[in-house]
Amino acid sequence: QEQLVQSETEVKKPGASVKVSCKASGYAFSGYYMNWVRQAPGQGLEWMGWINPNTGGTHFAQRFQGRVTVTADTSMDTAYMDLDNLRPGDTAIYYCARFRGYSSGGIFSWYFDLWGRGTLITVSS
Amino acid sequence: SSEVTQDPAVSVALGQTVRIICQGDRLRRHHANWYQQKPGQAPVVVMYGDSNRPSGIPDRFSGSSSGDTASLTITGAQAEDEADYYCNFRESNGNDFVFGPGTKVTVL
Repeated sequence: QEQLVQSETEVKKPGASVKVSCKASGYAFSGYYMNWVRQAPGQGLEWMGWINPNTGGTHFAQRFQGRVTVTADTSMDTAYMDLDNLRPGDTAIYYCARFRGYSSGGIFSWYFDLWGRGTLITVSS
Repeated sequence: SSEVTQDPAVSVALGQTVRIICQGDRLRRHHANWYQQKPGQAPVVVMYGDSNRPSGIPDRFSGSSSGDTASLTITGAQAEDEADYYCNFRESNGNDFVFGPGTKVTVL
C-alpha cells in the first residue's frame, strides 16, 4: 500500500526553525518528485515547492525561496522540509504530496496523486 | 503568477447536478486538476488533465475545459460529496504550480 507518513505536530516560537519529515512506503521513492503544500487555518492550499529525490534538485515558489530547504534521503525513503525564521503567518498544516506525470493532448503535466496526512506547525510566542 | 478564480461556495440538492468552475488565463495552455478535501483530511485528486478520472473516483465526477475555464461536474451529488474543491494547474514557467482559492460544495 502506497503511503506517505509525516512527522507529528509541533509548536515553535517566532524566529525558530522547523523540520518536517515525510516517509514514503509502498513505491519506489526515488522515482517520483515530492512536493510540499501548506494550508493555513481555514484557508486554501498553497504550493511551496518540489524535490527530485533521485538528483536532489529542488524548486520553490518565489515567496519561499531563501527560507525553505527540502532534502531527500533515499536510503530512508524520506523527504524533509525545513522552514527557517518562522512567523505566526507560517502557522499551517504542511502536506507532502507526490507528483505523478501524465500526457494529455500532447501536453505533459503533473498532478498530486498521493498525499500525507499533514503536519500541523503552530508558530506562537 | 497567474490569477485564478473559483466561486467561494455552491450548493446542490441531493441527487442533482452541480458544476464547479475554475477560471484563469493559464488554463488556455495548461490542463486543470481537481482535488476534493473534506474537513480534517488531506486533499484527494478527483480529476486530472481536465477530464481524466483516477481509479476509485465515482463516475458521477466529470471534468472539462474550454478557453480559460475548467469545470468539474458532479452529476447526482451525494451527501459524501460535500467538501472543498480546489483546482490546480502548472504555471507557464513549467516549474511552479498554482491552486485555485477553492469552492465549498454543500449538499442540501
